[in-house]
Amino acid sequence: RKEVEQDPGPFNVPEGATVAFNCTYSNSASQSFFWYRQDCRKEPKLLMSVYSSGNEDGRFTAQLNRASQYISLLIRDSKLSDSATYLCVVNYQAGGFKTIFGAGTRLFVKA
Amino acid sequence: DAGVTQSPTHLIKTRGQQVTLRCSPKSGHDTVSWYQQALGQGPQFIFQYYEEEERQRGNFPDRFSGHQFPNYSSELNVNALLLGDSALYLCASSLVSSGRSSTDTQYFGPGTRLTVL
Repeated sequence: RKEVEQDPGPFNVPEGATVAFNCTYSNSASQSFFWYRQDCRKEPKLLMSVYSSGNEDGRFTAQLNRASQYISLLIRDSKLSDSATYLCVVNYQAGGFKTIFGAGTRLFVKA
Repeated sequence: DAGVTQSPTHLIKTRGQQVTLRCSPKSGHDTVSWYQQALGQGPQFIFQYYEEEERQRGNFPDRFSGHQFPNYSSELNVNALLLGDSALYLCASSLVSSGRSSTDTQYFGPGTRLTVL
């Protein structure tokens, strides 16, 4: 089993749609969680951190469920510019911190 | 405020050769992590450097080694290159002021695309 697993995708949605991505992690010692966005042939860019209380940034909402070891990202009112790969990221303490990325979920938003 | 920079942008090597990739962290950051990203995959953690020492390592062979300099910049060295080493190599920096925090946000450089022929 992979340490961080994401929906396989790709997701093909029309503009204005709401889309949700899920991610599960296996290490219960995981301590911090993030969603990154990666455009084709570019570096990952931080989209948002994920907190137990849930957090929102404009059209984006992230949720963390520690009991179920589950992270989600909700995108409302999808834009063409949201088309990208979304990476779920988990950090856990092991000496320094160790970072595990999911394989990513590809999103295509169409006009 | 300078972000994370990496050099070179692209590199072509042949099997058996050695390569050195370089990274300068974001201004004010003291920790550098290296990742390998194969096509269609998420980045895989190689190792992390803090205070000029390797603090954490992923599942990569000893052919992969690194170094961090007093100015926090870092190098990734790969010896005896294999075809399978072809990938995008990403450097990420963060600030770990206490040396023990695991809640640090990482910022990535543009990467070095390595092709091994």
